[in-house]
Amino acid sequence: QVQLQESGPGLVKPSETLSLTCTVSGGSISNYYWSWVRQPAGKGLEWIGRVYTSGSTNYNPSLKSRVTMSVDTSNNQFSLKLSSVTAADTAVYYCARNIAGRGGYYFDYWGQGTLVTVDS
Amino acid sequence: DIQMTQSPSTLSASLGDRVTITCRASQTINSWLAWYQQKPGKAPKLLIFDVSSLESGVPSRFSGSGSGTEFTLTIRSLQPDDFATYYCLQYNSYFGFGPGTKVDIK
Repeated sequence: QVQLQESGPGLVKPSETLSLTCTVSGGSISNYYWSWVRQPAGKGLEWIGRVYTSGSTNYNPSLKSRVTMSVDTSNNQFSLKLSSVTAADTAVYYCARNIAGRGGYYFDYWGQGTLVTVDS
Repeated sequence: DIQMTQSPSTLSASLGDRVTITCRASQTINSWLAWYQQKPGKAPKLLIFDVSSLESGVPSRFSGSGSGTEFTLTIRSLQPDDFATYYCLQYNSYFGFGPGTKVDIK
């Protein structure tokens, strides 16, 4: 059973960079796309971006200028960096695996989520 | 940019009810639509992918249908564990979630 676990600081100061890592266990990180999704309190879900195990990335156009994702296959981990954060970036951040359907890629496994608060 | 809408935003129902949630896309998304269930404080759980394929382990009272721009999630006979918020997801062009439908107790 694949499991994902987010880790990183729960509090980030405004204008600084949010950094999170997702550790994958119970299966290999290789040959999959891996995504980050966030959810502000009481609101809906927003896709942030995805990284393939080759290192290629796709980002949500609305966040693209501030997002960097990377993968560390030797440690079965992938990471998110979001720069110049504001209070609007306060949310629960989830990591998730993308799996191929008949044509597109949807999310099957999710981490439990980690709350990141942006506050001075 | 594909916009997703869901209706209703809130649905009050009783145990045993048949429940239908609608998801609409601003342009055709082929068959690249999934449904998720989310309970408070928990990650979303995959129910349906590719419009109508039931994820392993998901009860058969859940079903999905639709094509093009209009899709539905049906719960055949509402059970206590089904009170939650439901989201649709399009994965035709990157990813976009609907705003959610909260199913609560009537």
